[in-house]
Amino acid sequence: DVKVTQSSRYLVKRTGEKVFLECVQDMDHENMFWYRQDPGLGLRLIYFSYDVKMKEKGDIPEGYSVSREKKERFSLILESASTNQTSMYLCASRNRLGTSGKNTGELFFGEGSRLTVL
Amino acid sequence: DAKTTQPPSMDCAEGRAANLPCNHSTISGNEYVYWYRQIHSQGPQYIIHGLKNNETNEMASLIITEDRKSSTLILPHATLRDTAVYYCIVRDGTGNQFYFGTGTSLTVIP
Repeated sequence: DVKVTQSSRYLVKRTGEKVFLECVQDMDHENMFWYRQDPGLGLRLIYFSYDVKMKEKGDIPEGYSVSREKKERFSLILESASTNQTSMYLCASRNRLGTSGKNTGELFFGEGSRLTVL
Repeated sequence: DAKTTQPPSMDCAEGRAANLPCNHSTISGNEYVYWYRQIHSQGPQYIIHGLKNNETNEMASLIITEDRKSSTLILPHATLRDTAVYYCIVRDGTGNQFYFGTGTSLTVIP
């Protein structure tokens, strides 16, 4: 079975702390994504990466940065956590479009990391 | 601007077909329609996707109107385990942007 693993299901941090959310996928996917999910707002894209050391801003990148040093790992970093970053964070990965074999272009999601900033 | 519009909630009797509508009136010619569902406390799970033609797999059927401005996800025989939030998503031509709406909360009633 394909697997996207997020390091922590639940975190509680204090305002101003640096927060690392880790995501690892075992499917050799090129593309990886970070979303946040809030009630009434659905999923919103923070950042994505289409290859190692590559990153692109999504719709709401402010207050976040990312790191993709290895193909299987995509980290989301909150340099100085704030209370408005309390949310559910979802990581996803996907094969690059056009790769051979069965490729529906679908995103594979992790279980999510629920972050509370006090 | 929202790419998709879905009713916030729906009910369906167990064993009956669940028909979940989605409007995507601003969809472009190279944008796909994807459907995902999210069961409480889990990540979203892929169901089906399509571009122009109707599609069917082991989970569901996807009906896309000829003008592509709307679609319907059909769960042919809903079970209690189908209770979830269903997201209709438009994916851009590059494949990098998936525009999630707020979804439809489907409750399957015994």
